[in-house]
Amino acid sequence: QKEVEQNSGPLSVPEGAIASLNCTYSDRGSQSFFWYRQYSGKSPELIMFIYSNGDKEDGRFTAQLNKASQYVSLLIRDSQPSDSATYLCAPSTSGNTPLVFGKGTRLSVIA
Amino acid sequence: DAGVIQSPRHEVTEMGQEVTLRCKPISGHDYLFWYRQTMMRGLELLIYFNNNVPIDDSGMPEDRFSAKMPNASFSTLKIQPSEPRDSAVYFCASSRGSSGGTDTQYFGPGTRLTVL
Repeated sequence: QKEVEQNSGPLSVPEGAIASLNCTYSDRGSQSFFWYRQYSGKSPELIMFIYSNGDKEDGRFTAQLNKASQYVSLLIRDSQPSDSATYLCAPSTSGNTPLVFGKGTRLSVIA
Repeated sequence: DAGVIQSPRHEVTEMGQEVTLRCKPISGHDYLFWYRQTMMRGLELLIYFNNNVPIDDSGMPEDRFSAKMPNASFSTLKIQPSEPRDSAVYFCASSRGSSGGTDTQYFGPGTRLTVL
């Protein structure tokens, strides 16, 4: 069974700090890794994806992938109160198959 | 583009009633996914379609659930009869489909279903 583990949180960080969100997965066939953000009462929206080992940066967001350790993380620099949301990790074995979502980590950025 | 459209946004019904949820994917997208989200189980796949054909329905809880996609621009998820444990937010998502392994799924706003 494919499993995706995330710390449910809440993870509380002060405004301006770096928030670090972690995710581990069980399916070694996973090729791509998606991070979605979900505000309370809203639908998930894609933040970024990564498919190569190492780091990928997009603005204040950096995704990190280590396939050998089956670990993926999302760093949010200069955290803002507007970043307060639940962050969902979702590995995928290919671009055309459904995502297996973790239960998400709730992030709270304190002003 | 209007994005993925779902209706109704909220549905309150009584146990035993039939419920039909509707979804219009983004034009040009070949894949359509139905997910259900609850606090206990998180976001889980129910069924997905490729070019209107169901590919994997192993996530459908039981025979009370059925889904159809009669054409590229419309899909329904039906629950008959509904039960209180079906209360959840149901999301529809669509994607273009690609061979690169990095296709993006776009989610609709969801339907919040409450079964009394």
